[in-house]
Amino acid sequence: EVPLVESGGDLVQPGESLRLSCAASGYSFSKYWMHWVRQVPGRGLVWVSRINIDGTVTDYADAVTGRFTISRDNARNKLFLQMTNLRVEDTAVYYCVRDLAGREGFWGPGTLVTVSS
Amino acid sequence: DIAMTQSPLSLPVTPGEPASISCRSSQSLLHTNGNYFFDWYLQKQGQSPQLLIYWGFLRASGVPDRFSGSVSGTDFTLKISRVEAEDVGVYYCMQGLQTPYTFGQGTKLEIK
Repeated sequence: EVPLVESGGDLVQPGESLRLSCAASGYSFSKYWMHWVRQVPGRGLVWVSRINIDGTVTDYADAVTGRFTISRDNARNKLFLQMTNLRVEDTAVYYCVRDLAGREGFWGPGTLVTVSS
Repeated sequence: DIAMTQSPLSLPVTPGEPASISCRSSQSLLHTNGNYFFDWYLQKQGQSPQLLIYWGFLRASGVPDRFSGSVSGTDFTLKISRVEAEDVGVYYCMQGLQTPYTFGQGTKLEIK
C-alpha cells in the first residue's frame, strides 16, 4: 500500500485550470502538515505550497500565489491543489509530500502537469 | 528566501569508497526548539525523492547506517562511508525553517 498517490495531472492550455488530488492511506492523514513540491523533468525541486493539519494555515511560493489553492479533506484523507490561470512555466511533475522537514517525510510518485498550446 | 548551495554538483565514486556532499545555507537553520530544520534526500532515476536525513543529522527509518549527516553552523555535510551501486542518484539538501522551503541544486552521484 503506497501512503500517497497523486492524480489529476494532464495536458492543458495556458490560462486553463486543473485540480490535483493526493490520496493518503495507511496512516493518520489528519496528523500531518502536507505539501506540494514540483519538479520540471530533469531539473531541481521547487516547493509550491503547504497546509497545516486542519486546513486553517496555508502558505504558497510567490510564483503561484493568487493562482493556486491548497486544501484538504481529512474525512476522506485527501489533499488537493487547485491550479488556475496555468502558465507554460507551471509544467512539472507535482509531488504530494507528507511531513516535509519532519521525521516522517514521504513523497508520492508524482503526477505530470503539462501546460502547452 | 534562504539560499541553499550544494557542492559538488557531480560526484563520481568508486564502489566501497567514501563520499561526501556539502550544503551551505544563507542563514542559520536552527529553530527555537533546538532542531535544525534541514533534510537530505536521494532521488533515484525515475523515482520520487526519499528522505535520508532529517533535522540535520538524524537518519530516517530504514536508511542504512553508512549514511550520516553532520552540522557546523550553516554548513551541513552528508557522508556515505562506503558507496554502493544502489546509492546512485541525485542528492538534494533542503531547508524547512521558513517558507518558501528551498532546495539545493542537487548533487549527481555516479559510480566510476
